[in-house]
Amino acid sequence: IAGITQAPTSQILAAGRRMTLRCTQDMRHNAMYWYRQDLGLGLRLIHYSNTAGTTGKGEVPDGYSVSRANTDDFPLTLASAVPSQTSVYFCASSFGDEQFFGPGTRLTVL
Amino acid sequence: SQQGEEDPQALSIQEGENATMNCSYKTSINNLQWYRQNSGRGLVHLILIRSNEREKHSGRLRVTLDTSKKSSSLLITASRAADTASYFCATEFRAGSYQLTFGKGTKLSVIP
Repeated sequence: IAGITQAPTSQILAAGRRMTLRCTQDMRHNAMYWYRQDLGLGLRLIHYSNTAGTTGKGEVPDGYSVSRANTDDFPLTLASAVPSQTSVYFCASSFGDEQFFGPGTRLTVL
Repeated sequence: SQQGEEDPQALSIQEGENATMNCSYKTSINNLQWYRQNSGRGLVHLILIRSNEREKHSGRLRVTLDTSKKSSSLLITASRAADTASYFCATEFRAGSYQLTFGKGTKLSVIP
């Protein structure tokens, strides 16, 4: 059982470039989430999806977009990356109250 | 911000001692959860306590919730070096939303 996988593990990206972070879960969870984790700030919710076909904005959605075409996949896209988007990104899923996290993607925008 | 706040930010104890971490939040909650994060890894769920519960146990973990003070504590008894990690509280403000707001975490170091 893989749980949640994220790709890539890490990435260095030039400012202005487009980037999609991938997230796949095999637990058939309805809800999925994207967080960013910055030193001293904890985890902040970027976008979420309660079920396939629906998405919503979290605390820090600006500069990011998501889609949920099916239950398993929840990609996060940075349309035009900026240095302030340098962070560690975590995808999570849930069926009920407990959330299950992926291993994270470390993104550096130069 | 509705973010919870953990206290202390960092805690260093000897193996075998108990570790206590606190979390305060600002508005009414549906439930409060504690997560653990080992360095460079994703978060792992430890325990959940609902707003109508006051105390909960799971193995060496004990969680308390005081809704009148809007605070929670996580006690790890008989700590081990393997307990070294960051611990986060997360609150669900709206029942059924399944959206969590995380605190900034307490970094626990357990010295062998």
